Amino acid sequence: AQTVTQSQPEMSVQEAETVTLSCTYDTSENNYYLFWYKQPPSRQMILVIRQEAYKQQNATENRFSVNFQKAAKSFSLKISDSQLGDTAMYFCASSSQNSQGGSEKLVFGKGTKLTVNP
Amino acid sequence: KAGVTQTPRYLIKTRGQQVTLSCSPISGHRSVSWYQQTPGQGLQFLFEYFSETQRNKGNFPGRFSGRQFSNSRSEMNVSTLELGDSALYLCASSLGPFSGANVLTFGAGSRLTVL
Repeated sequence: AQTVTQSQPEMSVQEAETVTLSCTYDTSENNYYLFWYKQPPSRQMILVIRQEAYKQQNATENRFSVNFQKAAKSFSLKISDSQLGDTAMYFCASSSQNSQGGSEKLVFGKGTKLTVNP
Repeated sequence: KAGVTQTPRYLIKTRGQQVTLSCSPISGHRSVSWYQQTPGQGLQFLFEYFSETQRNKGNFPGRFSGRQFSNSRSEMNVSTLELGDSALYLCASSLGPFSGANVLTFGAGSRLTVL
């Protein structure tokens, strides 16, 4: 079974600063994906960044980047130049093919509430 | 391109009643998944459908059921509602498990309150 752990329930950062959110996971699968989703107070879950486990290169999307440490099963999210609009719940999630090879089920962590202060 | 549409957005029911929630996926998406979000349990997987077939099911009682129609729209039903069923129910759609993309797009959710 897959598990995802986010050890930081809440974090805050000043506008324009950099913040790193932590995530560890456990899976017995060889082929899996890792994600960071953002859920602003309006509730719509938005994909921030996606990492394929077989790719060693860390994924980046503009101000968002990850530090993927496969051996340590760690997948942290770095937000550079934080903006007020980054205030949200951030969920780390993993997904792997099920035994039938046809499922995209996501397993989520409990989330980290990030507040960006002006 | 329209996003994932969930209806209703808010609803209030009483214990023992049943409820049906609807999800219209992004045009061209053939896979629909459902998740329950509560403050205590977080986000938990309910079901996943692809081409009208249930591909995967989470650890929920039989009171929770779902289906997918030929146009990829999906409904989930909860019968004999309990107070603990109060939650935000999120639907997500994707191209499907064999597309290689593995990217889910979520709707805004249906907020269910059981009194």
